[in-house]
Formats: sequence, structure tokens, C-alpha cells
Amino acid sequence: RKEVEQDPGPFNVPEGATVAFNCTYSNSASQSFFWYRQDCRKEPKLLMSVYSSGNEDGRFTAQLNRASQYISLLIRDSKLSDSATYLCVVSPDSSYKLIFGSGTRLLVRP
Amino acid sequence: EPEVTQTPSHQVTQMGQEVILRCVPISNHLYFYWYRQILGQKVEFLVSFYNNEISEKSEIFDDQFSVERPDGSNFTLKIRSTKLEDSAMYFCASSGDRGLEETQYFGPGTRLLVL
Repeated sequence: RKEVEQDPGPFNVPEGATVAFNCTYSNSASQSFFWYRQDCRKEPKLLMSVYSSGNEDGRFTAQLNRASQYISLLIRDSKLSDSATYLCVVSPDSSYKLIFGSGTRLLVRP
Repeated sequence: EPEVTQTPSHQVTQMGQEVILRCVPISNHLYFYWYRQILGQKVEFLVSFYNNEISEKSEIFDDQFSVERPDGSNFTLKIRSTKLEDSAMYFCASSGDRGLEETQYFGPGTRLLVL
């Protein structure tokens, strides 16, 4: 089983749509959770950390379900500039490394 | 806003040659990392470095790889004898401290092509 699994997409949505991405992780000892975005041939950039209580940052909402080992990202009112690959990332307890999923590609069309 | 920088942006080398990839982490950060991303694949952890020594490394980080912080600002990744399969984008990252929700900031990467 992959350490971090994501639906590769692509998700092709119109501007203004709401889109949700899901992610599962295999290591129950994982301690920290993030969503990064990556534009084509660029570096990963932190979108948001994911907290147990769920958290929101503008149009973006992240949820964590530790019991199900499941992380989600909701994007409301999609913009053209949201087109990118969204990376689910976990960090195991007592480890410095980030473990990346393969990413979910989002295409927002006019 | 402080950022991680990397040089060169692109490197082409012949198989068997040594390459050194350079990174300048964010100035007050204490933890440094190298990751790689083979074209079309996911980002993979290589190594983490703290207090002038390796704190963790992956299976990818074999004897052909080494890291160094030669002065107070640079952090380097050396590949001693490159192989075709070393062709990838190499990202340097740094973080300030290892807290519960630590944030690693990534540099723009060095694209390495081994011929």
C-alpha cells in the first residue's frame, strides 16, 4: 500500500465550481499534515497545514480524520489561477521527512 | 519575503561525472533537506541535515550521495558518479525548527540531466 494515496485526476472544472480532493495515508503514527500545490516544473509551495479540528483559509478548507487516516481539501469558487497539481503531504512522528502523494491535477477552465 | 535559492537552475552532465548542487537556505533556519522529483513522478525525500550532521536519509541516498554545509550559508548535495537514473529535479528545503506542524520551504530546484 502506498504511504500517501491520491486520485491523480485530472479534475476539469469550470470557473466558480467547488472541487474536493481526497487523500489517504497508511502510517497511523503520522503527526503532521499539509497540502502543497505545485505548478508545472516548479517547486512545491505550502498551501495550508491541516489540523485535527479542520481549518479554513479563504476559499480553501482542509479536514483531517485520524481514525480513517483521511485528509481532504475543498476549494470553493475555483479560479483559473487554481490550476495546478495539489500534493497531499504527511510527516511521520519522530521523523524530519515529508512524504508526498503523487498529486491530483486540477484544471479550471473559463 | 525570505526564500530558499538554488544554483544552478539546470545542469547537464555525462554519466560518471561528479556534480555539486548548491542551495542557500533561509537564513535563520536550522534544518535542511534535499528531495528529488523524477519527471512525472512524486517528490521523494533524500536526506535531512541538522547541527552539521545527517539526521535522516532515505534508501535513495546511497554512498554516491553526500551533503555538506561548508560555511554558514550554503548547503550542498554532491553526487560522486552520476547515473542516467539520477536525472531529476532536485529540490532543497529548509525549516526553522521541528515543531508539531513544521513548515518546509522549498527552493526552485535544479534540473539535472545525465547523458
